[in-house]
Amino acid sequence: SAVISQKPSRDICQRGTSLTIQCQVDSQVTMMFWYRQQPGQSLTLIATANQGSEATYESGFVIDKFPISRPNLTFSTLTVSNMSPEDSSIYLCSVGGQGDEKLFFGSGTQLSVL
Amino acid sequence: GENVEQHPSTLSVQEGDSAVIKCTYSDSASNYFPWYKQELGKRPQLIIDIRSNVGEKKDQRIAVTLNKTAKHFSLHITETQPEDSAVYFCAASRAGGYALNFGKGTSLLVTP
Repeated sequence: SAVISQKPSRDICQRGTSLTIQCQVDSQVTMMFWYRQQPGQSLTLIATANQGSEATYESGFVIDKFPISRPNLTFSTLTVSNMSPEDSSIYLCSVGGQGDEKLFFGSGTQLSVL
Repeated sequence: GENVEQHPSTLSVQEGDSAVIKCTYSDSASNYFPWYKQELGKRPQLIIDIRSNVGEKKDQRIAVTLNKTAKHFSLHITETQPEDSAVYFCAASRAGGYALNFGKGTSLLVTP
């Protein structure tokens, strides 16, 4: 499976600020997704990061709040904008290969908003 | 969209016993069903998966069964060990790069 590097691993941020999370993969992957995992909860899909075009967002998530970039097949960023304490969660990128449904996860970014 | 239900939410077994976790899904177009294990503070790890053209798959102490007609699938862990203690998530998706929809998770505790 691909090696997925995600950073930062954790951060403590002030209300109203923004944080950009990076996801780097050691090989080209077709699919990249961003998930959120609130404390003690399941994984919720935020969006699909599309290479060369705008991300596809799930219901309840909007581009102004969670802008995503995917400049190539190995890298993506997720920004959490204008943060509030409700954004405190673990954010995970996940990747999959062409024709293969298996998804693997990055190590996650634990975000705490004060 | 797809809705995945998972039961039970918590499960406690004694070491050596078997554990069974069950999931149901709603989208008849779903045909890929993985299971993830997440230990505290770590990322979810894929432990086994099954596709809709197969009814059962086994990997050592872990097995998954699928009943596509009834839209449910189950994870079976035999001869449980304390290191099996973790949160287990089932998921479902369509083939071809669709995102996974996850169940709410089962916290498994294996006591010595």
